[in-house]
Amino acid sequence: GAVVSQHPSRVICKSGTSVKIECRSLDFQATTMFWYRQFPKKSLMLMATSNEGSKATYEQGVEKDKFLINHASLTLSTLTVTSAHPEDSSFYICSATPLWTSGRAWEETQYFGPGTRLLVL
Amino acid sequence: SQQGEEDPQALSIQEGENATMNCSYKTSINNLQWYRQNSGRGLVHLILIRSNEREKHSGRLRVTLDTSKKSSSLLITASRAADTASYFCATDGETSGSRLTFGEGTQLTVNP
Repeated sequence: GAVVSQHPSRVICKSGTSVKIECRSLDFQATTMFWYRQFPKKSLMLMATSNEGSKATYEQGVEKDKFLINHASLTLSTLTVTSAHPEDSSFYICSATPLWTSGRAWEETQYFGPGTRLLVL
Repeated sequence: SQQGEEDPQALSIQEGENATMNCSYKTSINNLQWYRQNSGRGLVHLILIRSNEREKHSGRLRVTLDTSKKSSSLLITASRAADTASYFCATDGETSGSRLTFGEGTQLTVNP
């Protein structure tokens, strides 16, 4: 149980185009989904917190107009990298917190997707 | 340094040996979690230890938490080549809710 998928797993695009990455919780409903970015041999940096039906909360330094997040349902969140540039090339990982742990911070575990590798040429 | 800093950054051991990784953090936490990441893959949750717990075991894994020192350790006993991966600690704080702050990670290599 608690499987999170991401699509696509790998994408190559031209500079200036937009790329959409999907994050789905396959066998559970997620109150909250998180989007992270990871550079090679580096740690994960939280970009934004996404709650179903409300606007995402972005971390300091993350451009909300650049990284559009839509959390349309309890099982799907999307991240759109708009007008992508080579410096946006990175590994993007989402995670989801199950609904059944909502409000019980001591039990909350984030389940991570397999990641999406974005290369902007 | 930042919240959730791992030590060492890289560790290379022989199969069968034990591997110990340490993590330090700065602010008060609710939970501390350890994750594993194989190269180019997503994260796998290993173990969660609550702020009121001092030690937790799961199979070959042993995690300790010292809130007075704001540090945690992950011990992998009888390591296997398949344990080769990056290991990250992550904390969620009293003020950050469920948002996790990750450390820089330890790259563990277990040589057969």
